[in-house]
Amino acid sequence: NAGVTQTPKFQVLKTGQSMTLQCAQDMNHNSMYWYRQDPGMGLRLIYYSASEGTTDKGEVPNGYNVSRLNKREFSLRLESAAPSQTSVYFCASRRNRGDTGELFFGEGSRLTVL
Amino acid sequence: AQSVTQLGSHVSVSEGALVLLRCNYSSSVPPYLFWYVQYPNQGLQLLLKYTSAATLVKGINGFEAEFKKSETSFHLTKPSAHMSDAAEYFCAVRAIQGAQKLVFGQGTRLTINP
Repeated sequence: NAGVTQTPKFQVLKTGQSMTLQCAQDMNHNSMYWYRQDPGMGLRLIYYSASEGTTDKGEVPNGYNVSRLNKREFSLRLESAAPSQTSVYFCASRRNRGDTGELFFGEGSRLTVL
Repeated sequence: AQSVTQLGSHVSVSEGALVLLRCNYSSSVPPYLFWYVQYPNQGLQLLLKYTSAATLVKGINGFEAEFKKSETSFHLTKPSAHMSDAAEYFCAVRAIQGAQKLVFGQGTRLTINP
């Protein structure tokens, strides 16, 4: 049972470098989400994709871009990394279509920007 | 709009003692409510959810929560703490109708003392 898979699990970047976090789900879910987790701030939504072909901004989208590549995959790109983007990033998916809104999470990607 | 407040960023209890983690929500429409647990260096997993059926909800690992509309609360309890319960706990809310986004509280770190 793979569920939601994120890569890489750890990454260290220098300020100004770019990188893409990959996320894939094998549950045939319609919606996918990217959150960041910072101490004392809980989880904050960066971007989400309600269905294949659509993306929308969340609470903290600045400095990020996303691509819903197909139904399974939803990537998060940092074009020019900044120290403020040091965080743990979580991808999540949701079945949608009459569900209760429960999210299924990946194990996280820990990013450090120096 | 929905919001969640978790009272107490850190809670410490002795092994065998009652666990009480507090969550208050704000929602202009009937909500779905969730508790998630995050063990160190892992993703979030669903502990339990309220979906407008029974107001007392039982979850995994002996946890339960009671929905109290008059108090706008959804506190999490466990009668007897175990060392393995040490983790971070997140309360989350979503409007029943139409909302794509799950809004999380700031989290409560639970420590169990031997």
